[in-house]
Amino acid sequence: AQSVAQPEDQVNVAEGNPLTVKCTYSVSGNPYLFWYVQYPNRGLQFLLKYITGDNLVKGSYGFEAEFNKSQTSFHLKKPSALVSDSALYFCAVRDIGSSNTGKLIFGQGTTLQVKP
Amino acid sequence: DAGVIQSPRHEVTEMGQEVTLRCKPISGHDYLFWYRQTMMRGLELLIYFNNNVPIDDSGMPEDRFSAKMPNASFSTLKIQPSEPRDSAVYFCASSPMRGADTQYFGPGTRLTVL
Repeated sequence: AQSVAQPEDQVNVAEGNPLTVKCTYSVSGNPYLFWYVQYPNRGLQFLLKYITGDNLVKGSYGFEAEFNKSQTSFHLKKPSALVSDSALYFCAVRDIGSSNTGKLIFGQGTTLQVKP
Repeated sequence: DAGVIQSPRHEVTEMGQEVTLRCKPISGHDYLFWYRQTMMRGLELLIYFNNNVPIDDSGMPEDRFSAKMPNASFSTLKIQPSEPRDSAVYFCASSPMRGADTQYFGPGTRLTVL
């Protein structure tokens, strides 16, 4: 079965410092991986996705993620954090095992706190 | 485009009452998803539709929950009767057939059952 894990409930970083939010996955075939962000009292917003090709994927708001097949990881990164980046971040993997391919499996989420 | 529209944004009701949540997906999207989010259980997929047809309802917690999609521009999630443990934020999301993986979420409905 497909699954995704976010090992950290919360990540704290100072403004201006680089940030990393971790995600590992488990799939039977080739993974399709996603990052979403949720600001307080809002719905989830798509940040970026990896389907195939370059292992470094660039997304919205200066975020990027690196796909590492050998480590089965898809960590979210940003070179310089902003206070406004503080939010809940979700990693997700596409369920390719089902007969219909629309379904995503989400991790539990990681709260990112950026302090001034 | 207005994005995914959900109504109401907030709902407070008493135990035993019927609750109906509404969703209008982005025009042209073929997939529609209903999720529930709580602190304890995180984000859970309840049910999803493809071209108005329910594909996977294995996440629907009980028979008290039902969902319909009578046409491509409207879906409802109904809870009857409601219970306090149903209190959560319910999200609707839609996705195009092409590139079906990118889901676009609505703002959610915060449900409180007293």
